[in-house]
Amino acid sequence: EVRLEEFGGGWVQPGGSLRLSCKTSGFQIWGYWISWVRQAPGKGLEWVANIRDDGGRQEYVDSVRGRFSISRDNSKNSVFLQMSDLRTDDTAVYYCVRDGRGGYLDAWGQGTLVTVSS
Amino acid sequence: QLVVTQSPSASASLGDSVTLTCVLSSGHSDYAIAWHQQLPQRGPRYLMKINSDGSLGRGDGIPYRFSASSSGAERYLTISSLQADDEADYYCQTWGSGIPKVFGGGTRLTVL
Repeated sequence: EVRLEEFGGGWVQPGGSLRLSCKTSGFQIWGYWISWVRQAPGKGLEWVANIRDDGGRQEYVDSVRGRFSISRDNSKNSVFLQMSDLRTDDTAVYYCVRDGRGGYLDAWGQGTLVTVSS
Repeated sequence: QLVVTQSPSASASLGDSVTLTCVLSSGHSDYAIAWHQQLPQRGPRYLMKINSDGSLGRGDGIPYRFSASSSGAERYLTISSLQADDEADYYCQTWGSGIPKVFGGGTRLTVL
């Protein structure tokens, strides 16, 4: 069974940092790009970042570029999202999602809540 | 600019069929999209992918009551024999070269 499980969410003050982890199982992670997608309270889905299967390329939405960094450790079946200089509008549930081979997202984690508030 | 547009809400009665629509922006009518379902208070789930030629890629375990089709710049998700637990938000998602992922605003489906 394909599984993605997020860890590391919580409360942080504006300007602070947080590191999210995504542990995968049930598939060979080294064959897939992985994305992070977020959902602010009561809002729709927003793609945040993704990373190539070998870790050699990363892409970001404009609003987080320079503040967030995505990385991966295929030997540990894990992907990470380092978030810095957090803002109140970064408050959201963050989902780790597998990129199906072709650009569509085909497997979702259950999400982890990040709250940025003073 | 690549954009996908969805109606914010739809409704249909138990046992009936409903079709949700996702519209691709001008110049992008040949793009594929994927449909995702989000049940209340749950994470999203991938349903299926639909290409411009109508070819499909269905997610594991997705009932055949869910189907997708395509016409021009419009992509459709049809749910037949509606059940109460089909009540959810449905998102379309597309992608392109240099455009990683784009989501529609979602359609909230109410089962009457």
